[in-house]
Amino acid sequence: AQSVTQLDSQVPVFEEAPVELRCNYSSSVSVYLFWYVQYPNQGLQLLLKYLSGSTLVKGINGFEAEFNKSQTSFHLRKPSVHISDTAEYFCAVSAISSGSARQLTFGSGTQLTVLP
Amino acid sequence: DADVTQTPRNRITKTGKRIMLECSQTKGHDRMYWYRQDPGLGLRLIYYSFDVKDINKGEISDGYSVSRQAQAKFSLSLESAIPNQTALYFCATRPGTSGSLDTQYFGPGTRLTVL
Repeated sequence: AQSVTQLDSQVPVFEEAPVELRCNYSSSVSVYLFWYVQYPNQGLQLLLKYLSGSTLVKGINGFEAEFNKSQTSFHLRKPSVHISDTAEYFCAVSAISSGSARQLTFGSGTQLTVLP
Repeated sequence: DADVTQTPRNRITKTGKRIMLECSQTKGHDRMYWYRQDPGLGLRLIYYSFDVKDINKGEISDGYSVSRQAQAKFSLSLESAIPNQTALYFCATRPGTSGSLDTQYFGPGTRLTVL
């Protein structure tokens, strides 16, 4: 089984400041890693994903995340946030195993609020 | 038009009532999922389906049932709604082929309130 911990439930940050949203996971097998974003009153949208290869993954809207296997982390970063980045962000994992349901296990979410 | 649609978007019902939430997709994906979202808990999987003949329970299936009427349609039913089923419900889809890269595509959600 997998589990995901998002260390901060709320992150307020001023506009144009950098931000890091933290995600740690636990799994007995290798995993794929995802970040989803949920804007107010909308469904979830894929921000970026790590499947293999380079540990630094770039996503939409200027976000990037770095996979650290030794620390079992997949932190999300953006060097300069905008008001429009205000949303809830979910980290998720999916076990790499053939024939499995490849279910996503989600963290509890981090509410990013960008202040003017 | 949206690829994954959910109806209704909002619903208020009373304890003990039967209610159905519907999900339709035009992405041609084999796999469909139902999640519920509660504040501070993230999304939890209720049921998932690999195709019309393959239905599986998720993490929190008690009190729920599903029906996969066609590849494009996956309905979630609450046979006798109770207040702690008040939540935001999401449908999601994913391609069934290998190399699908595990990305799930979400509908806009249904906000259900059980009084």
